Amino acid sequence: DIQMTQSPSSMSASLGDRVTITCQASQDIGNNLIWFQQKPGKSPRPMIYYATNLANGVPSRFSGSRSGSDYSLTISSLESEDMADYHCLQYKQYPLTFGSGTKLEIK
Amino acid sequence: QVQLKESGPGLVQPSQTLSLTCTVSGFSLTSYNVHWVRQPPGKGLEWMGRMRYNGDTSYNSALKSRLSISRDTSKNQVFLKMNSLQTDDTGTYYCTRAGYFDYWGQGVMVTVSS
Repeated sequence: DIQMTQSPSSMSASLGDRVTITCQASQDIGNNLIWFQQKPGKSPRPMIYYATNLANGVPSRFSGSRSGSDYSLTISSLESEDMADYHCLQYKQYPLTFGSGTKLEIK
Repeated sequence: QVQLKESGPGLVQPSQTLSLTCTVSGFSLTSYNVHWVRQPPGKGLEWMGRMRYNGDTSYNSALKSRLSISRDTSKNQVFLKMNSLQTDDTGTYYCTRAGYFDYWGQGVMVTVSS
């Protein structure tokens, strides 16, 4: 199975900060990665698909990038509504696997 | 519009079998894959398995021996059955549609307790 190592597990940042969350894949997954945002008591919402593509309705301050086996989700200027959990998912190969999640808090 | 809705018992006794139903609308089960994902309280997401549009299934390696996913296309329903439940199976269970997992049910909370 492909392992997705997500970091950090939690972080705190100030409004307006640039925030980056990373997932590292244990095997080649190409660009077959989705980033989800999940707010308390809600279902996950896809933010980025195919590693770099912004999902419908997602603000342009969110972006995705890839460097080798490292995948990043970046928020260019943190807003209060971005406080949430973030998860990555590889869909290159079955069984699909999620990262362990990142809890993003506002300072 | 596209909708998915999970249903099932909120409480299951240890060692018993969990049966959940995902009822979908706005799309055909013969055109899209439907996945099951679960989340223990306060923890991350875990992919459980998939019902493919053609009826094929795939399962999480760690759950494969206990898990079965099936469907009834005439009723637009996908079923999850998992046996030998333990307390660490407690959590919220979601069904979601592929594509890019852009549609999710609201989730159903399942507690495993005697």
